[in-house]
Amino acid sequence: KNQVEQSPQSLIILEGKNCTLQCNYTVSPFSNLRWYKQDTGRGPVSLTIMTFSENTKSNGRYTATLDADTKQSSLHITASQLSDSASYICVVSRSGGYQKVTFGIGTKLQVIP
Amino acid sequence: ETGVTQSPTHLIKTRGQQVTLRCSSQSGHNTVSWYQQALGQGPQFIFQYYREEENGRGNFPPRFSGLQFPNYSSELNVNALELDDSALYLCASSPAASGEYNEQFFGPGTRLTVL
Repeated sequence: KNQVEQSPQSLIILEGKNCTLQCNYTVSPFSNLRWYKQDTGRGPVSLTIMTFSENTKSNGRYTATLDADTKQSSLHITASQLSDSASYICVVSRSGGYQKVTFGIGTKLQVIP
Repeated sequence: ETGVTQSPTHLIKTRGQQVTLRCSSQSGHNTVSWYQQALGQGPQFIFQYYREEENGRGNFPPRFSGLQFPNYSSELNVNALELDDSALYLCASSPAASGEYNEQFFGPGTRLTVL
């Protein structure tokens, strides 16, 4: 079964601190993995996208890593800001045909002053 | 802003009613996908349209149907609403059919509440 599991489910950190969110998947055959940021009640916004051959990608203070062998990805947030408070969703796509995407349930991050 | 808009923002319906949700994609994006996101869950794929034809469907019953129009707008129709249909409905557009690498641009969503 194609699944995407994220951990932790929720996280509270102090402003300025770093954090790392995890994503494990069993989706096959693998096409690409995306990390999205979703503010409460809003649509997801893409942060990074990685294919099989890419093992790291950065977008400002966000750095995603991918280990396609172990089927694990992480999203590292550096020097967190209050505006980073949101849900972070890992999305894995399968190869072939129309977009076959599996979403994780997300990690809810709260950054406090 | 992603350039994808949805209407209405919020909607309240009662069981058994029908609802139509609307999405306006980015110009030039021929593919639109619809997702259902229950509270505290990740989005679940409903279906995808490419050039006005449905070309993929998730595990949703036939009372969920859609339309895509040449002007890059689309609709999600849900008949015989059930309480469990209460969710945030997201549309996402992308510029290609299979779009395996192509990014999906999400709209802000429509919050549907079924009483």
